[in-house]
This record gives sequence, structure tokens and C-alpha cells, in this order.
Amino acid sequence: NAGVMQNPRHLVRRRGQEARLRCSPMKGHSHVYWYRQLPEEGLKFMVYLQKENIIDESGMPKERFSAEFPKEGPSILRIQQVVRGDSAAYFCASSPGTGRYEQYFGPGTRLTVT
Amino acid sequence: DQQVKQNSPSLSVQEGRISILNCDYTNSMFDYFLWYKKYPAEGPTFLISISSIKDKNEDGRFTVFLNKSAKHLSLHIVPSQPGDSAVYFCAAVISGGGADGLTFGKGTHLIIQP
Repeated sequence: NAGVMQNPRHLVRRRGQEARLRCSPMKGHSHVYWYRQLPEEGLKFMVYLQKENIIDESGMPKERFSAEFPKEGPSILRIQQVVRGDSAAYFCASSPGTGRYEQYFGPGTRLTVT
Repeated sequence: DQQVKQNSPSLSVQEGRISILNCDYTNSMFDYFLWYKKYPAEGPTFLISISSIKDKNEDGRFTVFLNKSAKHLSLHIVPSQPGDSAVYFCAAVISGGGADGLTFGKGTHLIIQP
């Protein structure tokens, strides 16, 4: 499967726990983006990363949320001390960069906070 | 402050006819536009894009039109097929800005009637 991979597909956490969402970009893509979709809403940009660098985190909440894209392994979106309002679908996308603006999305992780 | 607006939450079209989905934007800095299609419980799928140096781009049954002066774009699907039933998102980006996160509209749910 050469597409963007995300896991887990579904994640249930109790309030106060940590959530870790993983994303492996398409082969050959070095740019990773995370988006969040609340019910009945469009996707909201959260963060843009390249290997070992955060390029733009203007859409990330200031507290409890962090993201990384290490030299080896998948990109991780980490949410600490989850609250009910964090329940949403989280999508990862990748692009080859170099002047190409099309982004290719994974299937998403649906986070439910109980 | 919604910079990309899709004012029709839903649209019903008969199979075989033309589907026209509309999108307006307010940020004049946007210069690259994309359309995505999304089925339930899946990630968005890239359909077609257009740069602001063009006013039309065509790919098979899909054509996107851009009217820069009106800050308006539309996606035409002809002929419409049952598999086209999905939510369609319009997205925009400022190319070359270094921050390539897409700004999405809230989507239009297209329903193709047999």
C-alpha cells in the first residue's frame, strides 16, 4: 500500500489520558500535515512538518498538543490530558513538496474521549 | 473568520445531469485551489486543482472554473454518476508562502438521485 497510513483508526481515551496518533507518509513524500475535523465542520489545519522540523504550527492549540516527524519512523501527533472537546477525526496528509500543493490524505484516526 | 465558504450544505442532482458545486473565498492572497471528495469514515481524496494563473482546468468528467475577480470557483461534474455521491470540499493555499496548510470550506454533500 503506497498511500498515507494512519494508526490507530479508532482510539478511545478517558479524560486526562494521553493520545498518540501515528502517520506514515506516502513513499517519496517528505512533507506531512495534520488536520482535525469536528462534526459538521471542514478540516482545520493544525501543523506542517518536514523531517525533524516543524515548519508551521499556527493551527495547533497552544497547550497539550505536540507533533513530531523524526528522522526515522512515522510522524506522531500527541495530545496530553485529553478532554471531551478533543473528540474528532484527525487526518494526516503528505505531499512531495517542491512546488506541488496537492496533499494526499490518510484514512484518519477517530478519537473519542469518554 | 471563514476564509473559504461553501454555502450549500447539500445538493441533489439526477444521475446523468451536471453537478455544480460552488466555493467562495475572501483571502485575495490565495492563489492555488483544490477540490477533494470524501466518503464517510475515509480520508479526503484529491480530485482536481487550479492555479490562479488559469481560469479553467479539466480532468475527465471534472472541470474547475476560477473567477478571480469574484473570488469564486466552481466544480462541474458531468455526467453525474451514483458513485459521485459524497461530501466535496473546496480548499485554498497561498503558494510559495512557506506555510502550505490548506484552508478548507465546510463541504457540500452531493447526492446523486437515480
